[in-house]
Amino acid sequence: DAGVTQSPTHLIKTRGQQVTLRCSPISGHKSVSWYQQVLGQGPQFIFQYYEKEERGRGNFPDRFSARQFPNYSSELNVNALLLGDSALYLCASSLGTGAGETQYFGPGTRLLVL
Amino acid sequence: AQSVTQLGSHVSVSEGALVLLRCNYSSSVPPYLFWYVQYPNQGLQLLLKYTSAATLVKGINGFEAEFKKSETSFHLTKPSAHMSDAAEYFCAFSPAGGTYKYIFGTGTRLKVLA
Repeated sequence: DAGVTQSPTHLIKTRGQQVTLRCSPISGHKSVSWYQQVLGQGPQFIFQYYEKEERGRGNFPDRFSARQFPNYSSELNVNALLLGDSALYLCASSLGTGAGETQYFGPGTRLLVL
Repeated sequence: AQSVTQLGSHVSVSEGALVLLRCNYSSSVPPYLFWYVQYPNQGLQLLLKYTSAATLVKGINGFEAEFKKSETSFHLTKPSAHMSDAAEYFCAFSPAGGTYKYIFGTGTRLKVLA
């Protein structure tokens, strides 16, 4: 069975640009979460979506937005990129949104902002 | 504030030696706890998960972890290290009670010496 897939794998942007990252969850999973992992740190929660609705948001500025589509895939958008947005962006899928739900992570998209 | 702390950002062990990676959590309610492993340039892979069914949890690749409420700890162990265990390990928790996100520690990089 296919796991969580993310595209692109790598991306280079310049400051001020906008970027869109994509995620396809495991078949049957209805929830998608996004995390930012800065080099040398643990992942930080950005968003969770379930059934196309935002269920939670981390402490990130409004430049970060996301959406979930009817097929449960998701996009993360970041506007007005800053150097500090350089990170590995991880998508995780789960069956639901309960506290103990296991989240399965994709390989990530590595974003470099110059 | 809810948080998770991993003691030791870098741990080195000899091949065949015991692996012990430390994780302590801070939460007002009993949490769900997870250990993930991240190999270079990859996403996170679930090693094991604590859900209160048993305090000693066995995971993949010979790893196990013991939940100790009195010590608010969830340390990860493996009796005999293998070269392939070299990776970064993250402890994460999801507070019971309906929250939706994982809170990750800062990670421990395990080095296995031949």
